[in-house]
Amino acid sequence: GAVVSQHPSWVICKSGTSVKIECRSLDFQATTMFWYRQFPKQSLMLMATSNEGSKATYEQGVEKDKFLINHASLTLSTLTVTSAHPEDSSFYICSARDRDISNQPQHFGDGTRLSIL
Amino acid sequence: EDKVVQSPLSLVVHEGDTVTLNCSYEVTNFRSLLWYKQEKKAPTFLFMLTSSGIEKKSGRLSSILDKKELFSILNITATQTGDSAVYLCAFSYSNSGYALNFGKGTSLLVTP
Repeated sequence: GAVVSQHPSWVICKSGTSVKIECRSLDFQATTMFWYRQFPKQSLMLMATSNEGSKATYEQGVEKDKFLINHASLTLSTLTVTSAHPEDSSFYICSARDRDISNQPQHFGDGTRLSIL
Repeated sequence: EDKVVQSPLSLVVHEGDTVTLNCSYEVTNFRSLLWYKQEKKAPTFLFMLTSSGIEKKSGRLSSILDKKELFSILNITATQTGDSAVYLCAFSYSNSGYALNFGKGTSLLVTP
């Protein structure tokens, strides 16, 4: 079945560091990928929609200059958390849809746990 | 403002019990309602519902959507400890490219 690979699965770094998270669709092409964030004991919140070859669409309240999204190919989207601070510590999850199959659910990556010290 | 409300927020049952999880919603531009199971990592897909009144079934799990009363239920029969997880209800919009709006989830604990 379709697989979405997310890397790294766990990051611990110092405040002020920039962190890049990769999301790859392994056996399908994805025009659109989605980035979600989940704080402890809370549900997933959509951060942004990543569009191949164009700018990402950010949800209200999400700073586009802090969370840089690049979707340079049909199989890869990256999220860079710039100058991360402890309040950015969270579980970041990407998902993708197969562009060739309509009305199918999203496939999720395994997520990245980000801890900023 | 769109809303999706899941109930109960948490539930503890014994192995073998049957549980019913609820998801009610108020959504404009509704496309579909989805159920996911989340353990320690990212959500795993269970069901996608677009039509009212048609039950979807997978093993001990089943789900149905009522578009008139704006709710869905997820049933789990003969529960097992491996069913312990957070069950998330989400919906997608017809005008937003399939992005998902999640409810807060129901935390289910199945005890031996």
